[in-house]
Amino acid sequence: EAQVTQNPRYLITVTGKKLTVTCSQNMNHEYMSWYRQDPGLGLRQIYYSMNVEVTDKGDVPEGYKVSRKEKRNFPLILESPSPNQTSLYFCASSLSGLAGGPGYNEQFFGPGTRLTVL
Amino acid sequence: GQNIDQPTEMTATEGAIVQINCTYQTSGFNGLFWYQQHAGEAPTFLSYNVLDGLEEKGRFSSFLSRSKGYSYLLLKELQMKDSASYLCAVREDGSGNTPLVFGKGTRLSVIA
Repeated sequence: EAQVTQNPRYLITVTGKKLTVTCSQNMNHEYMSWYRQDPGLGLRQIYYSMNVEVTDKGDVPEGYKVSRKEKRNFPLILESPSPNQTSLYFCASSLSGLAGGPGYNEQFFGPGTRLTVL
Repeated sequence: GQNIDQPTEMTATEGAIVQINCTYQTSGFNGLFWYQQHAGEAPTFLSYNVLDGLEEKGRFSSFLSRSKGYSYLLLKELQMKDSASYLCAVREDGSGNTPLVFGKGTRLSVIA
């Protein structure tokens, strides 16, 4: 089954304790992205990656790191989490290349990770 | 800058038709997407418009006017399961590689 998986789905942690949220896709997509979603603010992009070893900052990258060593995986790293990073996080992937029909542009989202930082 | 506006909330009756509007101001344009998101779940793709006009897909249709920076999502024969948030998103760049910019979403409540 074509899918994007994230782990963990739920996490409660304390300020300053490093954590990693994993994201994996099995669709051979070049493009992967991390979003956070907060009430009243909608989906905001944290980082994205156009391919292996290529990453770029999104709108809200502060306090986050990512890596793209393999095509299928795009982990999100919080080196020193703070309470303002409490949020619902989504990973997404899509094919890349020239804009065409939905097959090129549709983003598939993972199930989400609900993170609480105390 | 980039700005995507949608109404925050809407309410409609089961069996009726509802139109959710989206206006955008972006530095470029190469496609507009609509996603559905049930509470606490991942967004799922509904439709994509890159040329002006109406795209119909079952009970859902999406319209685009590039000159007006305007789109709408039309939901017909509303069902209770259509209660969800609807997200409008724009791709600004023509390469297909750039991120989507999302609006804040419209929360639709379908009542009996």
